[in-house]
Amino acid sequence: SYELTQPPSVSVSPGQTANITCSGDKLGDKYVCWYQQVSGQSPVLVIYQDDKRPSGVPERFSGSNFGTTATLTIRGAQAMDEAVYYCQAWDSNTMIFGGGTKLTVL
Amino acid sequence: QVTLRESGPALVMPTQTLTLTCTFSGFSVIDDEMCVSWVRQSPGKALEWLALIDWDDDKYYSTSLKTRLTISKDPSKNQVVLTVTNVGPVDTATYFCARTLLVAVGDYHMDVWGKGTTVAVSS
Repeated sequence: SYELTQPPSVSVSPGQTANITCSGDKLGDKYVCWYQQVSGQSPVLVIYQDDKRPSGVPERFSGSNFGTTATLTIRGAQAMDEAVYYCQAWDSNTMIFGGGTKLTVL
Repeated sequence: QVTLRESGPALVMPTQTLTLTCTFSGFSVIDDEMCVSWVRQSPGKALEWLALIDWDDDKYYSTSLKTRLTISKDPSKNQVVLTVTNVGPVDTATYFCARTLLVAVGDYHMDVWGKGTTVAVSS
């Protein structure tokens, strides 16, 4: 079955750029989206179709997807961005989530 | 405004069937591109997708759980129901439903989520 692999944790200093990766076989041939889940809350969609931002999501969030790796980039990270981020794709009529990356802003 | 709310029992006995209901507003599950998904999250664990039903009544299930899951919809009530048979302690989790859009081929994404309902499986 298809798998998406994310690093368990990423740390970034406030105001710096965080890159969270998601890897999978020929992932660039699929659409990837990203969710932010703040502790104790429901997930929130922050990127869909690889690089599109839903309305209301700050411009500092961006996405890319090439080859075997999709990347969520947060430019000028803020304390409020501290959360777990999940990538998601669709493969063989099933939805796949990555294992999640805990972003720490410190 | 799109909203979704999950409901179901807080406690279920092992081997029983769990029935969860997602009641939504602000969209119709029979409109093109509209789907509803169920996702669960065990304590301290990652999100796990369970099932999706689309506007055309096509249904998709997690490969590992498909023998135990059934998803259905009642457009007249704006509800989607998920049943999980033969539950065990591993099914203890928060269960979310989410509106899922199919904007392009292969692009299913969940743009609005409910708050989730927590289910414990225990005797």
